[in-house]
Amino acid sequence: RKEVEQDPGPFNVPEGATVAFNCTYSNSASQSFFWYRQDCRKEPKLLMSVYSSGNEDGRFTAQLNRASQYISLLIRDSKLSDSATYLCVVGLNTGGFKTIFGAGTRLFVKA
Amino acid sequence: GAVVSQHPSWVICKSGTSVKIECRSLDFQATTMFWYRQFPKQSLMLMATSNEGSKATYEQGVEKDKFLINHASLTLSTLTVTSAHPEDSSFYICSARGGQGSNQPQHFGDGTRLSIL
Repeated sequence: RKEVEQDPGPFNVPEGATVAFNCTYSNSASQSFFWYRQDCRKEPKLLMSVYSSGNEDGRFTAQLNRASQYISLLIRDSKLSDSATYLCVVGLNTGGFKTIFGAGTRLFVKA
Repeated sequence: GAVVSQHPSWVICKSGTSVKIECRSLDFQATTMFWYRQFPKQSLMLMATSNEGSKATYEQGVEKDKFLINHASLTLSTLTVTSAHPEDSSFYICSARGGQGSNQPQHFGDGTRLSIL
């Protein structure tokens, strides 16, 4: 089982749609959680950190369920510019900080 | 926001050449820096993790003598691909993380596209 698992997609949605990405992690000692986006042939960019209470940044909402070891990202009112690969990232301290990236979920938003 | 600069952006060179890539944190002190490589349409693959002033920790399957990492200061890490061959052609990306808290995210450089002819 992968340490961080994501649905690879691709997700093809029309502009204005709401889309949700799911992510599960296997290590219950995981301490920090993030969503990154990566555009084609570019470096990953931090989209948002994910907090236990859930957090929102404009059209983006992230949720964390520690009991189920599950993280989600909801994008409302999708824009063409949201097309990218979304990476679920988990951080844990195992005698040294370690970051584990999911393989990413591809999103295509179409006009 | 935190800025990480990576240089060069593109490298094209002959087989057998050694290539050095620099990664700098411009507005924060990077206690930990990470080096990744990524092949087209594939996931990021962590190569090594380095803490300032200590030896890098390499992931399984990554040759230490092939990929030399130096993290001499809190703002600079370098990756040297020694005697590069065509199979080393890839997208190399560094990232940096400041502070000791587990909630500190990583910030990525722009990446270096390495093409070995």
